[in-house]
Amino acid sequence: DIQMTQSPSSLSASVGDTVTITCRASQVIADYLAWFQQKPGKAPKSLIYGASNLQGGVPSRFSGSGSGTDFTLTISSLQPEDFATYYCQQYESDQVTFGQGTRLEIK
Amino acid sequence: QVTLKESGPVLVKPTETLTLTCTVSGFSLSRPRVGVSWVRQPPGKPLEWLAHIFPNDEKSYSTSLKSRLTISKDTSRSQVVLALTNLDPVDTATYYCARILGYCFGSKCYWRFDYWGQGTLVTVSS
Repeated sequence: DIQMTQSPSSLSASVGDTVTITCRASQVIADYLAWFQQKPGKAPKSLIYGASNLQGGVPSRFSGSGSGTDFTLTISSLQPEDFATYYCQQYESDQVTFGQGTRLEIK
Repeated sequence: QVTLKESGPVLVKPTETLTLTCTVSGFSLSRPRVGVSWVRQPPGKPLEWLAHIFPNDEKSYSTSLKSRLTISKDTSRSQVVLALTNLDPVDTATYYCARILGYCFGSKCYWRFDYWGQGTLVTVSS
């Protein structure tokens, strides 16, 4: 199976900051990479697919980039509602796999 | 408005079989390039993909759980059912269903997630 490694596992930031989360695949996945946001006790929410395409209704302060094995999720001008856990996911393979998550906390 | 809702038992005993139902609305399970997936999340742990079911009724399973999983759908009732046999306490998790959308290039299709259900917590304990 393709392994997805996220870094950092957690980070602290302040409202208004810009943060970047990295996801690395153990093999080339082209741009078949998605990002999800999950708040405590809630279902994941789809943010980005195809490495850089925003799902409908997702604010433009979220952006994704990358191709091949290295990907990033950038959140600009952090808002209070953005503090959550973020997961990357590859769907290039029939065996879908998720990263271990990055917890974004308020500093 | 697309919605998905999981239902099933909240407590099951070890060695029993878990059967979960995902009831969808706002789209048809017979629609081309639209399928449903199941994902679970043990308490405090990451997401784990379990299975997909595709519009043509083909299925895909997690390699590690394939021998214990069965996914099926009833298009007329807008339901997808997941069965997991021989339960163990490590199967305690919140189980989610999600809609998946496919885009195909030649013979290969790629399936992305969009809408998710709210999830249902299942505890395996005697």
